[in-house]
Amino acid sequence: SYELTQPPSVSVSPGQTARITCSGDALPKQYAYWYQQKPGQAPVLVIYKDSERPSGIPERFSGSSSGTTVTLTISGVQAEDEADYYCQSADSSGTYQDVVFGGGTKLTVL
Amino acid sequence: QVTLKESGPVLVKPTETLTLTCTVSGFSLSNARMGVSWIRQPPGKALEWLAHIFSNDEKSYSTSLKSRLTISKDTSKSQVVLTMTNMDPVDTATYYCARILGGFDPWGQGTLVTVSS
Repeated sequence: SYELTQPPSVSVSPGQTARITCSGDALPKQYAYWYQQKPGQAPVLVIYKDSERPSGIPERFSGSSSGTTVTLTISGVQAEDEADYYCQSADSSGTYQDVVFGGGTKLTVL
Repeated sequence: QVTLKESGPVLVKPTETLTLTCTVSGFSLSNARMGVSWIRQPPGKALEWLAHIFSNDEKSYSTSLKSRLTISKDTSKSQVVLTMTNMDPVDTATYYCARILGGFDPWGQGTLVTVSS
């Protein structure tokens, strides 16, 4: 089955830049989406279609894609950004067929 | 304001069938290309997509759970219903519904379902 691979954890100090990667063979053909989930809360979409930012999401959140890897970048990390982050895509068979999530990355703000 | 809210039992017994309802507001399930997905998250674990349904009644299911899932909608009630048969303790999770709009956005608050005898 298709998988998306994320690092389990990333740690940064406040004000630094955090980069969270997500790797998958179908990513060159399928868009990636990123979700932020804080403890006890539902996930929130922070990046869609690889690099688009929904309204209301701070500009410090950005996304990029290169080959089989997509990256969520948080510039000038703030304490409130500490959360779990999940990437999401689909296999190469079509949009919203066999949707898959990565295993999640816990971002710790030191 | 777009909102989704999940409802259903908090406790089910092994082998029973789970029925969850997602009630939406702020948009219509009949809008072109509008869709709703169900996603679950076992305690302390990652998200897992289960199924989706679109306004044209197009449906798709997780390959690994397809034999146990059925998704349907009642547009007049603004509800999407998911049934999962033969529940097992490993199915204990928070179950979310979410609108499909360039990603899953927004999500409901989720409902924790525990499978135990």
